[in-house]
Amino acid sequence: ETGVTQSPTHLIKTRGQQVTLRCSSQSGHNTVSWYQQALGQGPQFIFQYYREEENGRGNFPPRFSGLQFPNYSSELNVNALELDDSALYLCASSLEASDSTDTQYFGPGTRLTVL
Amino acid sequence: QKEVEQDPGPLSVPEGAIVSLNCTYSNSAFQYFMWYRQYSRKGPELLMYTYSSGNKEDGRFTAQVDKSSKYISLFIRDSQPSDSATYLCAMINTGGFKTIFGAGTRLFVKA
Repeated sequence: ETGVTQSPTHLIKTRGQQVTLRCSSQSGHNTVSWYQQALGQGPQFIFQYYREEENGRGNFPPRFSGLQFPNYSSELNVNALELDDSALYLCASSLEASDSTDTQYFGPGTRLTVL
Repeated sequence: QKEVEQDPGPLSVPEGAIVSLNCTYSNSAFQYFMWYRQYSRKGPELLMYTYSSGNKEDGRFTAQVDKSSKYISLFIRDSQPSDSATYLCAMINTGGFKTIFGAGTRLFVKA
């Protein structure tokens, strides 16, 4: 086990709703990254937070937002859910953002289904 | 065209076989190359990490990077049923923060 946990495990929402997904990083890890993994695809980078500030973002619209807290927990918020948002959402923690070679430790993911 | 291309398989081999998994990429700025293994209902876990071109060996696993051809490989020797999983290649630019993943190859090792 990586020591990274995510909640909930599964979630079902309807189109237009809002959702909050949670992640608990390894203690001491200052960086958390979020990924979206559609069925049969590799993870796609959403954004990264370092010491509670967003320091990088992939090609996702502003309705995807995040927060990182001092206690090594973080959230991914998605507003105005669309059917295409159905995917496995993964968070990954690492020590420092300044070194891109830091090993990322992934959580088991949250499976989101949008109906 | 995707930045990273990976054959999704599935790839089915008998136990004990040598497995070859491959990815090609288009962005010459990629410098860090990784292979992750993902079991069903789990997050990816890092298997191998290589900087720039060359080979790296770790037990039954060997990673190869050929930057001139923009081609990376992972070899698994003496494959075991427990190796059955999805294998994802991944890459990062120098000084970058965004990891780009391939689509993953599903591997089945039959006992």
